[in-house]
Amino acid sequence: NAGVTQTPKFRILKIGQSMTLQCTQDMNHNYMYWYRQDPGMGLKLIYYSVGAGITDKGEVPNGYNVSRSTTEDFPLRLELAAPSQTSVYFCASSYSAGGPSEQFFGPGTRLTVL
Amino acid sequence: GQQVMQIPQYQHVQEGEDFTTYCNSSTTLSNIQWYKQRPGGHPVFLIQLVKSGEVKKQKRLTFQFGEAKKNSSLHITATQTTDVGTYFCAGPVTGNQFYFGTGTSLTVIP
Repeated sequence: NAGVTQTPKFRILKIGQSMTLQCTQDMNHNYMYWYRQDPGMGLKLIYYSVGAGITDKGEVPNGYNVSRSTTEDFPLRLELAAPSQTSVYFCASSYSAGGPSEQFFGPGTRLTVL
Repeated sequence: GQQVMQIPQYQHVQEGEDFTTYCNSSTTLSNIQWYKQRPGGHPVFLIQLVKSGEVKKQKRLTFQFGEAKKNSSLHITATQTTDVGTYFCAGPVTGNQFYFGTGTSLTVIP
């Protein structure tokens, strides 16, 4: 089991560029999450999904989009990158049986927008 | 605004001293989770508390969930250098949305 994998590990974008952060889990978890973590801060929820075909906004969704066509994959799309989106992005997944349980995190993608 | 607050934000202790971080939510939580993040790493799950007043122990770590299910604490006895990192609490403040606390960064001085 690889757990939760994220690509790329690092990326530098210019203002206005777009990119997709990839996230894959092999644990057959139905819950998946995207968080961003700014330096010295906690994690803020961007989007989450409770199953394939179902996504919902979190605390800070502006400037991002997601899709969930399969159980395994939960890509995060940045359109028109801005310096405020410079952050570390973590994808997480969890099994749910009557409520969210332990979240397994990927290693993160460190994004810089210049 | 921030719905899950943690204090203190930073804590420096001498190795062997105890450490406590406190987590407070503006709303009642159905459960609370604790995570540890080593410098440069990703959050790793430590424990989940569900019941009002619940206390759980993991070796030198003691976790408590408040009676009103709006606060929690993590206490480490006799800290070691391996305890270095940032400790986060997290709770499902609204439905399936998890809100993470601001975190407490622990430095252990050998």
